[in-house]
Amino acid sequence: GESVGLHLPTLSVQEGDNSIINCAYSNSASDYFIWYKQESGKGPQFIIDIRSNMDKRQGQRVTVLLNKTVKHLSLQIAATQPGDSAVYFCAENSGGSNYKLTFGKGTLLTVNP
Amino acid sequence: NAGVTQTPKFRILKIGQSMTLQCAQDMNHNYMYWYRQDPGMGLKLIYYSVGAGITDKGEVPNGYNVSRSTTEDFPLRLELAAPSQTSVYFCASSLRADTQYFGPGTRLTVL
Repeated sequence: GESVGLHLPTLSVQEGDNSIINCAYSNSASDYFIWYKQESGKGPQFIIDIRSNMDKRQGQRVTVLLNKTVKHLSLQIAATQPGDSAVYFCAENSGGSNYKLTFGKGTLLTVNP
Repeated sequence: NAGVTQTPKFRILKIGQSMTLQCAQDMNHNYMYWYRQDPGMGLKLIYYSVGAGITDKGEVPNGYNVSRSTTEDFPLRLELAAPSQTSVYFCASSLRADTQYFGPGTRLTVL
């Protein structure tokens, strides 16, 4: 079936480096994508979203890139800090009256001081 | 605003017991959701609601029931708890069919 998945289950970076977390999706009808951050023992926290009519969106230290041609989504974190250590999930909404999000399994980001 | 709140934080049940996981939101969101998250896995949708009095099944509804009598509250009922229901349960809400905001979760163990 169609699903959202991640290329890398774990990512380890040095403090101050930039991080890139990738996500592949297979549902070409998806028109809205969200990145969530989940720290240990907590609920997912919204980071940034993007709609399919955009290919880039920037937030505070984060950028999401959407490549609809290859059905690929990425989250870039600039100047990664120890507080960024968490599991990052991408999620997609296939649009229309479908309120449901499909989540990937997540990537564990570890920031080394 | 408190956002989305969930109680209890932790619970241990014996096989066959029942319980209700509470979820409340104070953002006047129309849509509410229940997910379960198994270790190392993503979130799976159990039930969702698009407004008071309206609920529908998600991906993994078996063994659970919900009700939505008010906009604020969306309790999840487990009847006849089974070990397979050991998981972390998250409630979420959204204003529209877009960004969902999550509660802190309830960690449930069934022994």
